[in-house]
Amino acid sequence: SQQGEEDPQALSIQEGENATMNCSYKTSINNLQWYRQNSGRGLVHLILIRSNEREKHSGRLRVTLDTSKKSSSLLITASRAADTASYFCATPTSGNTPLVFGKGTRLSVIA
Amino acid sequence: SAVISQKPSRDICQRGTSLTIQCQVDSQVTMMFWYRQQPGQSLTLIATANQGSEATYESGFVIDKFPISRPNLTFSTLTVSNMSPEDSSIYLCSVEVGGTNEKLFFGSGTQLSVL
Repeated sequence: SQQGEEDPQALSIQEGENATMNCSYKTSINNLQWYRQNSGRGLVHLILIRSNEREKHSGRLRVTLDTSKKSSSLLITASRAADTASYFCATPTSGNTPLVFGKGTRLSVIA
Repeated sequence: SAVISQKPSRDICQRGTSLTIQCQVDSQVTMMFWYRQQPGQSLTLIATANQGSEATYESGFVIDKFPISRPNLTFSTLTVSNMSPEDSSIYLCSVEVGGTNEKLFFGSGTQLSVL
């Protein structure tokens, strides 16, 4: 069953602008992960945030987690055309169970 | 980390035939996962493949349709049997390293079109 729901489903911005994607989930989690997929190919892990963390940074990425609202956001600052991809949040529903992926946000960055 | 070689990268198949997808990992891993991604959709887990035991299938997926082999800790295959156009999807294998489920590595995917 679907665990995460991203919004928006699609986002189009100009190069240099910031892109924010949101993810909501249903059950308790111990971590939440964000992945990127280029053109329907394999996914690449971007960042993980644990349930006891509220914010995490990695380069131009900033992830927040609000466990009380069961939501997370991914911010990409100073976007580039190369950031054009689909972005998915994913959570293990409990323990070491396999990851469940959200529906994804398709980001288009226009040069 | 893990590097995964998945093949074929794409195929066009006739209805009623079967296709076997191979996934080779450059290191030994305990758990391998097979996902399906239908056009414009998210990833749906088909099954978890552990070496030395039968794969564990998710609801809606059965072994007769998607038989999986896991002969050793670096290799797995997924077969899509008796294909229909509804099986047209991207199929992805993935592995976790370290047993913590905190990071998955993915193959480049197999884009399957069934006519």
